[in-house]
Amino acid sequence: NAGVTQTPKFRILKIGQSMTLQCTQDMNHNYMYWYRQDPGMGLKLIYYSVGAGITDKGEVPNGYNVSRSTTEDFPLRLELAAPSQTSVYFCASTFTGMVNQPQHFGDGTRLSIL
Amino acid sequence: TQLLEQSPQFLSIQEGENLTVYCNSSSVFSSLQWYRQEPGEGPVLLVTVVTGGEVKKLKRLTFQFGDARKDSSLHITAAQPGDTGLYLCAGPPFGNEKLTFGTGTRLTIIP
Repeated sequence: NAGVTQTPKFRILKIGQSMTLQCTQDMNHNYMYWYRQDPGMGLKLIYYSVGAGITDKGEVPNGYNVSRSTTEDFPLRLELAAPSQTSVYFCASTFTGMVNQPQHFGDGTRLSIL
Repeated sequence: TQLLEQSPQFLSIQEGENLTVYCNSSSVFSSLQWYRQEPGEGPVLLVTVVTGGEVKKLKRLTFQFGDARKDSSLHITAAQPGDTGLYLCAGPPFGNEKLTFGTGTRLTIIP
């Protein structure tokens, strides 16, 4: 029972580099989300997707891009890494968009930009 | 501006003691969820409260949703080391479909 799987678990980038954070889920969930978690700030929504081919911006989308070519995968791309993007990134999924449904989270990717 | 404020931010108590943590907002929420997050892992849902004044119990944890649906509390009885973690409240502001997360309470139970 894998659930939501995120890779890599840790990564250090230099300023200006790019990378893709991977997220895959095996629960056939339609909705997927990317959050960042900063100390004392809770989780902030970056982007979300309601199904394959459909994505939309969340609260803090600047500096990130996403795609959703399949139901299972929802990668997050950083094009020009900046120190402000140092954070822990979480991917989550739900079967429907009903707000009372539990969000299933991956274990996160800890990213440092130096 | 943080829509959901949690207090205290940090709490460290002895095993066996009781504690209450709070989740407050000036906005009305359709429902509130409580999650617990352990180091190196993602948050895991504990409970969802939907109706104003609702009380839900999960073993030694009691969750309450305020009558006006602007606040919630989590009370733990006889805390145990396994209760250690980051507790997050989250909910959709009324009329909004997206979850807003609180700032979190980091709880440490000392054996």
